[in-house]
Amino acid sequence: DAGVTQSPTHLIKTRGQQVTLRCSPKSGHDTVSWYQQALGQGPQFIFQYYEEEERQRGNFPDRFSGHQFPNYSSELNVNALLLGDSALYLCASSSEQGYTYEQYFGPGTRLTVT
Amino acid sequence: AQTVTQSQPEMSVQEAETVTLSCTYDTSESDYYLFWYKQPPSRQMILVIRQEAYKQQNATENRFSVNFQKAAKSFSLKISDSQLGDAAMYFCAYRSLLNTGANSKLTFGKGITLSVRP
Repeated sequence: DAGVTQSPTHLIKTRGQQVTLRCSPKSGHDTVSWYQQALGQGPQFIFQYYEEEERQRGNFPDRFSGHQFPNYSSELNVNALLLGDSALYLCASSSEQGYTYEQYFGPGTRLTVT
Repeated sequence: AQTVTQSQPEMSVQEAETVTLSCTYDTSESDYYLFWYKQPPSRQMILVIRQEAYKQQNATENRFSVNFQKAAKSFSLKISDSQLGDAAMYFCAYRSLLNTGANSKLTFGKGITLSVRP
């Protein structure tokens, strides 16, 4: 059973560019959440997708957008990159069924903005 | 809004000894979940243990146990018989239960770096 997968592993971009990060949830999961983790800090919630819609959003600007596909995989898009967007981006999946309340995390994508 | 505080940035423990990691949180809700996650250098966040707020009994998972004090809003993690593989960053996290779906985001503390001395 494959866990949560993310691609790419590492990414280097220049200020002003746009980036797309991808996530495939754990088998059987239908909800995907995205978190940003700055170096030495705890993850910060960006947004969550369920049934292909953004269900909840954290305190992030509109430059951060996402999408969820019918197969439950998800993308995180960041436009007009800033140096401060450099961070580890974590994807977590969960299921609305069964009330497990647990989120399973992927290995993350390390984004560096120069 | 809920907040999670981990005031100890670093801790160190001798192999085979016991260590306790502290966490406090602030919420006006009565129903919620609390979690401890481990993040080793490989970056993968791994769930260590969870505690349902309505349960008075402290959760235990093998060498890991918690001391949940609901009135004090305290949720500490005890690691017994520490092993070299326990070295990692540990995060305390809160999850509201007001609405199973819309409020299922996790609110994390800043984390604590645990080192294990051989």
